[in-house]
Amino acid sequence: AQSVTQPDIHITVSEGASLELRCNYSYGATPYLFWYVQSPGQGLQLLLKYFSGDTLVQGIKGFEAEFKRSQSSFNLRKPSVHWSDAAEYFCAVGANRDDKIIFGKGTRLHILP
Amino acid sequence: EPEVTQTPSHQVTQMGQEVILRCVPISNHLYFYWYRQILGQKVEFLVSFYNNEISEKSEIFDDQFSVERPDGSNFTLKIRSTKLEDSAMYFCASSELRGDSYEQYFGPGTRLTVT
Repeated sequence: AQSVTQPDIHITVSEGASLELRCNYSYGATPYLFWYVQSPGQGLQLLLKYFSGDTLVQGIKGFEAEFKRSQSSFNLRKPSVHWSDAAEYFCAVGANRDDKIIFGKGTRLHILP
Repeated sequence: EPEVTQTPSHQVTQMGQEVILRCVPISNHLYFYWYRQILGQKVEFLVSFYNNEISEKSEIFDDQFSVERPDGSNFTLKIRSTKLEDSAMYFCASSELRGDSYEQYFGPGTRLTVT
């Protein structure tokens, strides 16, 4: 069965600093991988996705993620965070194109001024 | 840009009452989903729907839950007799297969409060 682990419940970084949010997945084949962001009281917005091809994926808002099969990881990065990036970030995995998405428990990002 | 819409944004109901949550998926999408997020917890899959039938459901989706696509545009989730533990944010999503790419587009959610 698929599963997603986000080991960090909370992360605090200073505005302008770099960011890396960790995500590990468990799935037997090549998964479909996603990062979603949820601002307080809001819905889920897709930041980026990986299906195949280049393992470094660019997303919206300056985010990128790298798929590393050997480590079963799909970490999210941003070189310089902005106060507006404060939100909850969910890593997710799907098995097939029309399959359900399994979400991690999320990492809440706090930004220090 | 097309988007998934959900109504109402917030629903308060008493325990034991029936509720219907409504969603309008993106018009050319073929797959529809409901997820829920209990406050402070992760988003959990409830059910997927394709070609007018359930394609997969989770163990959460018991006999108290049902889904329907009553017309060409709406997709509903019904909870027959609500329980306190049904209080959560419910997200509708839809997707369309497009070659090697697919994405589930999520609506803004309906916050259900059962008292």
